[in-house]
Amino acid sequence: SQQGEEDPQALSIQEGENATMNCSYKTSINNLQWYRQNSGRGLVHLILIRSNEREKHSGRLRVTLDTSKKSSSLLITASRAADTASYFCATDAWDKIIFGKGTRLHILP
Amino acid sequence: DVKVTQSSRYLVKRTGEKVFLECVQDMDHENMFWYRQDPGLGLRLIYFSYDVKMKEKGDIPEGYSVSREKKERFSLILESASTNQTSMYLCASSSPQQGSGNQPQHFGDGTRLSIL
Repeated sequence: SQQGEEDPQALSIQEGENATMNCSYKTSINNLQWYRQNSGRGLVHLILIRSNEREKHSGRLRVTLDTSKKSSSLLITASRAADTASYFCATDAWDKIIFGKGTRLHILP
Repeated sequence: DVKVTQSSRYLVKRTGEKVFLECVQDMDHENMFWYRQDPGLGLRLIYFSYDVKMKEKGDIPEGYSVSREKKERFSLILESASTNQTSMYLCASSSPQQGSGNQPQHFGDGTRLSIL
């Protein structure tokens, strides 16, 4: 029962550039969450945005939510080598959270 | 800091064996979850539990069972391991739902299970 779908599947950028990842979903949601997963590790929660919010910031992260388009974006500014990871959106479909398949982000030195 | 601990990082078992994967959390969370993660398929929910001795099937429960005898511990059991159960298994925990909906999940580092 896939809900969120990230785009692109993979992204490579130079260190210092900004990285933008998108998430589209199909049904109404309660909230939307973004997670990061470093290679071989578990997922780490980054940020939660509620359905009545449009934008949220946390350090170098900026998340937007457009419920009319059923989409969200995650922007990482001034990327660093340590940002290399997979990023997942997770949609809160009321009874449970459903994870997308993720965007693999690679920061080039 | 929330800590979710999975008993093994790597595990190798043989087909037909009964396999136990253990998960312990130290944040007194009511909710616990088991996922498997496979390339190209993302995270798929196997089972979850909202309370002690309570369990609910997720999207792919076939071939698995779970046990939650204590609040902090959630075990995943492969009744008779098969090669198609070779995967990365992730355990997670969270607080109960609030006004803003389902709360963020805290994950362990996973168990990479190989069935030979």
